[in-house]
Amino acid sequence: ILNVEQSPQSLHVQEGDSTNFTCSFPSSNFYALHWYRWETAKSPEALFVMTLNGDEKKKGRISATLNTKEGYSYLYIKGSQPEDSATYLCASLGWTTDSWGKLQFGAGTQVVVTP
Amino acid sequence: DADVTQTPRNRITKTGKRIMLECSQTKGHDRMYWYRQDPGLGLRLIYYSFDVKDINKGEISDGYSVSRQAQAKFSLSLESAIPNQTALYFCATSDSTGGDYNEQFFGPGTRLTVL
Repeated sequence: ILNVEQSPQSLHVQEGDSTNFTCSFPSSNFYALHWYRWETAKSPEALFVMTLNGDEKKKGRISATLNTKEGYSYLYIKGSQPEDSATYLCASLGWTTDSWGKLQFGAGTQVVVTP
Repeated sequence: DADVTQTPRNRITKTGKRIMLECSQTKGHDRMYWYRQDPGLGLRLIYYSFDVKDINKGEISDGYSVSRQAQAKFSLSLESAIPNQTALYFCATSDSTGGDYNEQFFGPGTRLTVL
């Protein structure tokens, strides 16, 4: 059972358009929230590690926000380009003994950017 | 050279065979993980190790075993492979220092097919 939920499962974006998608996670034992970018035939790579409520991270045209009290994070892609096509994974890290050191991954949002 | 390597990259085997997947890292990280990825299910944790003498079961450890031969090496074995173990397997590492937020560094993956 996934405690971390991502929506939508997939989306198609026209080149130049902006888009965003959601990750929801358990807020009760929150310690950190990770975003990974996973391109086809490659390994997942970390985009952001977020820890503070209200935090906003940015890398180029990609940014993320975090709400730890309500348990959600948004990832935004501004002016999508074909090279942004990938699956974006979020993962939650809890602080309890059972969850310490282990990431709980969502199923991912697959983004396809068409020229 | 890649920091986290996995061998083999692809393997086709038959039901009942014993299979070993190997992972090596040059990042000097203390923590190592094995995940499997199935379509629509995200990354699920099989086993993890926080140091050479520490081995822990993840959420789907049945049918698998691991060995941490050295800080840099972590092997996953399927004692008697079955078709529903057909999946993409990832090894990952993380560093417990620097805030302990567990950012994961992934290997290239091993695609395993059990016939």
